[in-house]
Amino acid sequence: AQSVTQLGSHVSVSEGALVLLRCNYSSSVPPYLFWYVQYPNQGLQLLLKYTSAATLVKGINGFEAEFKKSETSFHLTKPSAHMSDAAEYFCAVSDLRNDMRFGAGTRLTVKP
Amino acid sequence: DAGVTQSPTHLIKTRGQQVTLRCSPKSGHDTVSWYQQALGQGPQFIFQYYEEEERQRGNFPDRFSGHQFPNYSSELNVNALLLGDSALYLCASSRGQGRGEQYFGPGTRLTVT
Repeated sequence: AQSVTQLGSHVSVSEGALVLLRCNYSSSVPPYLFWYVQYPNQGLQLLLKYTSAATLVKGINGFEAEFKKSETSFHLTKPSAHMSDAAEYFCAVSDLRNDMRFGAGTRLTVKP
Repeated sequence: DAGVTQSPTHLIKTRGQQVTLRCSPKSGHDTVSWYQQALGQGPQFIFQYYEEEERQRGNFPDRFSGHQFPNYSSELNVNALLLGDSALYLCASSRGQGRGEQYFGPGTRLTVT
């Protein structure tokens, strides 16, 4: 069965600093990987997805993630944090049946 | 183009009661998945409906049941509510049975007292 582990339940960065949110996956089949963002009292919004094409995936709001099979990782990065990036971020993996499995989430705080 | 919609937004129920939550998928989508998100946790997969049948199911008891209608909308029913059922219930829609991306609705906040 597939699963993801998000390293660090809380990450705090200064505005303008690099954002790095870590995600490692486990899957018995070539995975599809996703990053979602959730703002308070809202649903999940897709940031980006990896579907076995390019290993470097660019998403919305300046985020990108790199699929590294050798490290079973799919870390999310953004070169320069903005106050509006403060939210909860979820990494997810889906197998051939498309039942998505989410990590526990990482809360990103951006300090002025 | 309307996205995924869910109703109601909030709901308060008493232990032992039954509840029905509703979801309308994004236009052009025919697959609906339901997730439970407890406070401070990631969403947990409940089940998925396609062509009006339950296709996959997560590790949830039979108290959780669902239905999909011919117009692809869906309901989630929970019987004999427990305090632990208090959570945000998210509906997501996608196209077909492949590994397409899922679009999420805003959720229904269920509080069981």
